[in-house]
Amino acid sequence: NAGVTQTPKFRILKIGQSMTLQCTQDMNHNYMYWYRQDPGMGLKLIYYSVGAGITDKGEVPNGYNVSRSTTEDFPLRLELAAPSQTSVYFCASRPPGQGNQPQHFGDGTRLSIL
Amino acid sequence: AQSVTQLDSQVPVFEEAPVELRCNYSSSVSVYLFWYVQYPNQGLQLLLKYLSGSTLVKGINGFEAEFNKSQTSFHLRKPSVHISDTAEYFCAVRANTGNQFYFGTGTSLTVIP
Repeated sequence: NAGVTQTPKFRILKIGQSMTLQCTQDMNHNYMYWYRQDPGMGLKLIYYSVGAGITDKGEVPNGYNVSRSTTEDFPLRLELAAPSQTSVYFCASRPPGQGNQPQHFGDGTRLSIL
Repeated sequence: AQSVTQLDSQVPVFEEAPVELRCNYSSSVSVYLFWYVQYPNQGLQLLLKYLSGSTLVKGINGFEAEFNKSQTSFHLRKPSVHISDTAEYFCAVRANTGNQFYFGTGTSLTVIP
């Protein structure tokens, strides 16, 4: 049971480069989320999706884009990397149905922008 | 929207001593409450959750939390900690009618031998 899988685990980018952080879940969860975690700041929601074809902005969406073409995949795109986007990124998913279900997290992608 | 305040950023405690990690939340609607643990270089794992009913919730690894609606708190406790409990702990809240989770800034628990 793989759960939520994030790739890559580590990445270093130069300012202005672009990249896609991949997130896949095999639990048939409708809800998926992207967070960034900065030291002392907790987790901040970037984007989330309630199902294929539907995405919504979270607290800190600027500089990011997402798509949800399938239930399983929820990639996060950085178009023009900036040093402020250096962070640890977590993807999470949640089951459909009852709203009281917790999230399941991936192990994170550690991204440095230099 | 909801918000979460974790009052202590760092909590050192000796092995086998009790510990309490504090969490207060703000919301104008009914909420679900969660505690997650994060070990180094890993994602978050659910410790326990409060949905409704009994205000004392028991979770994994001997942790428990008590929901106090009047004080809008959801403090996490363990009567006797182990070295393996050293980790970052996050409190989270979600409105029972919403999709977004709001996390606190985390409490770093260090268990001292």
